[in-house]
Amino acid sequence: KQEVTQIPAALSVPEGENLVLNCSFTDSAIYNLQWFRQDPGKGLTSLLLIQSSQREQTSGRLNASLDKSSGRSTLYIAASQPGDSATYLCAARYNTDKLIFGTGTRLQVFP
Amino acid sequence: EAQVTQNPRYLITVTGKKLTVTCSQNMNHEYMSWYRQDPGLGLRQIYYSMNVEVTDKGDVPEGYKVSRKEKRNFPLILESPSPNQTSLYFCASSSTGYSGNTIYFGEGSWLTVV
Repeated sequence: KQEVTQIPAALSVPEGENLVLNCSFTDSAIYNLQWFRQDPGKGLTSLLLIQSSQREQTSGRLNASLDKSSGRSTLYIAASQPGDSATYLCAARYNTDKLIFGTGTRLQVFP
Repeated sequence: EAQVTQNPRYLITVTGKKLTVTCSQNMNHEYMSWYRQDPGLGLRQIYYSMNVEVTDKGDVPEGYKVSRKEKRNFPLILESPSPNQTSLYFCASSSTGYSGNTIYFGEGSWLTVV
């Protein structure tokens, strides 16, 4: 069964810390992996998309890596800010065009 | 501006009263999809469409219908809503289903069935 797991479920850190969010997927035959941000009561905003042939993608203070062989992706947030507080979701895309989401990591960055 | 627009954003309805949640995208995307989000279960795919007149079931299609008569629109129909369909619903689109293109989401529709 294709499953995506995110650890930790919640994280609270002081402003300025570098942090890592983890995403694991059971079926390594992914087409791509995408990281999203969701603010309370809002839709999902795409942050980074990593193709199955890529190892990492970067956008500003965000860096996402992909290791297909181990079934893992990480989202690295540098110098965290209160504005980064949100729920972060990863989603693995497969050849059936199915998008499997993790249950998310709720991040709080306090001043 | 690239947008996926859902309506209504908030709805309270009664059991058995048919309702439709509309979804429209302005990016000429072929692929569109519906998800529901429930606490502890994450987002689960209800239906998706690869193009006009092509739809397929996702993980939780029971109790839902969809249609794709035009490229830009992908309405979600609840013929006889039940309380277990109370959820937050998202519509999404991307340019082609099998590519690595970014998926765009609507703002979500909060549905309560009493």
